[in-house]
Amino acid sequence: SQTIHQWPATLVQPVGSPLSLECTVEGTSNPNLYWYRQAAGRGLQLLFYSVGIGQISSEVPQNLSASRPQDRQFILSSKKLLLSDSGFYLCAWNPGTSADTQYFGPGTRLTVL
Amino acid sequence: AQTVTQSQPEMSVQEAETVTLSCTYDTSENNYYLFWYKQPPSRQMILVIRQEAYKQQNATENRFSVNFQKAAKSFSLKISDSQLGDTAMYFCAFMRGNNDMRFGAGTRLTVKP
Repeated sequence: SQTIHQWPATLVQPVGSPLSLECTVEGTSNPNLYWYRQAAGRGLQLLFYSVGIGQISSEVPQNLSASRPQDRQFILSSKKLLLSDSGFYLCAWNPGTSADTQYFGPGTRLTVL
Repeated sequence: AQTVTQSQPEMSVQEAETVTLSCTYDTSENNYYLFWYKQPPSRQMILVIRQEAYKQQNATENRFSVNFQKAAKSFSLKISDSQLGDTAMYFCAFMRGNNDMRFGAGTRLTVKP
């Protein structure tokens, strides 16, 4: 069966510091991968998605970037965090047929102080 | 652009009773997919039910069923025999075949004993 992991689970970072959140999927090949952000009490906003190694599409211009160095690894980064980057970050995957259900990881709670 | 509207920010229901959560969406597409996700206090997003727009038959999953009205662009979720474990945020989501999934703002459901 497929599983999706995210780490760290929680993170507290000062403004201006760098960020690296990692997401990995097990039990599947060539998945589509997604990064979402959820602000407090709000729905999910798609940040990035990837259909293959090195292929990243950005949905929202922002302080963040994403990379996919391996087939089942998706990384969310920032060089300098802003207060507005605080939120709950969710990684998701689907089998590669673009209209398939997305399955979510446990998320990372990021607080920028 | 596709938008998803959940007009009920909060709802409550007595244990064992039935509750219906509303969702409307706006699109000019003919082929798309609709989803209901549940987000319990752990904040993991869990798929509840999925509906393909080209199917007229409403999807069901055990105690969960939908009322899909394509012409009205309505996709409501009915939870029968509500259980305490159903307490969560519920998100309606719309997806086309281009990795573009849009979420509503969510409905907070509380099941009361």
